[in-house]
Amino acid sequence: AQKITQTQPGMFVQEKEAVTLDCTYDTSDQSYGLFWYKQPSSGEMIFLIYQGSYDEQNATEGRYSLNFQKARKSANLVISASQLGDSAMYFCALGGSTLGRLYFGRGTQLTVWP
Amino acid sequence: ETGVTQSPTHLIKTRGQQVTLRCSSQSGHNTVSWYQQALGQGPQFIFQYYREEENGRGNFPPRFSGLQFPNYSSELNVNALELDDSALYLCASSPGEFYNEQFFGPGTRLTVL
Repeated sequence: AQKITQTQPGMFVQEKEAVTLDCTYDTSDQSYGLFWYKQPSSGEMIFLIYQGSYDEQNATEGRYSLNFQKARKSANLVISASQLGDSAMYFCALGGSTLGRLYFGRGTQLTVWP
Repeated sequence: ETGVTQSPTHLIKTRGQQVTLRCSSQSGHNTVSWYQQALGQGPQFIFQYYREEENGRGNFPPRFSGLQFPNYSSELNVNALELDDSALYLCASSPGEFYNEQFFGPGTRLTVL
């Protein structure tokens, strides 16, 4: 079974500080991918970053990095130098052998304050 | 490059009615997936269409059906609407049938009264 767990319903961070959003996963697939999406109040899901299960290096995209610990089955998102515009819901998602299907966690609401 | 678009933006229906939601995939993408996102939840996979064929389905009843057209745009049809069908419906396109990076549209917010 595929499962994503996000244990932080809400996180608060001051502008310009770094923040880590937690994500753990469960899968029996050997090959899989982990995704992070940002969802502002408008509703659109914005792709942030992707990590493949065979990637040896942690993925980075600008201010976003993914702390991938395969043995612990965790894929935490690190946002450096937070900005007010980062305030949104963040979802971790797992893609595996089930074609095209992404399994999402329940999300973490991030609030960045000045 | 045109992104994923969805229509309508908002929709209000009554229980028992039928609804059709539309999605235009991103240029060059041949795969469309549909997700339902209830309030306070993560998106749940409904089904995927790859080259006009249904290519995987989540735990949704048959009254949820879809189509994909030769231009890779897609429709989601829901018959006999129930109150629990109230949700944000998201369409995502990707360049292949596997778990590639999926690009989401802005969603259609459906309210069933």
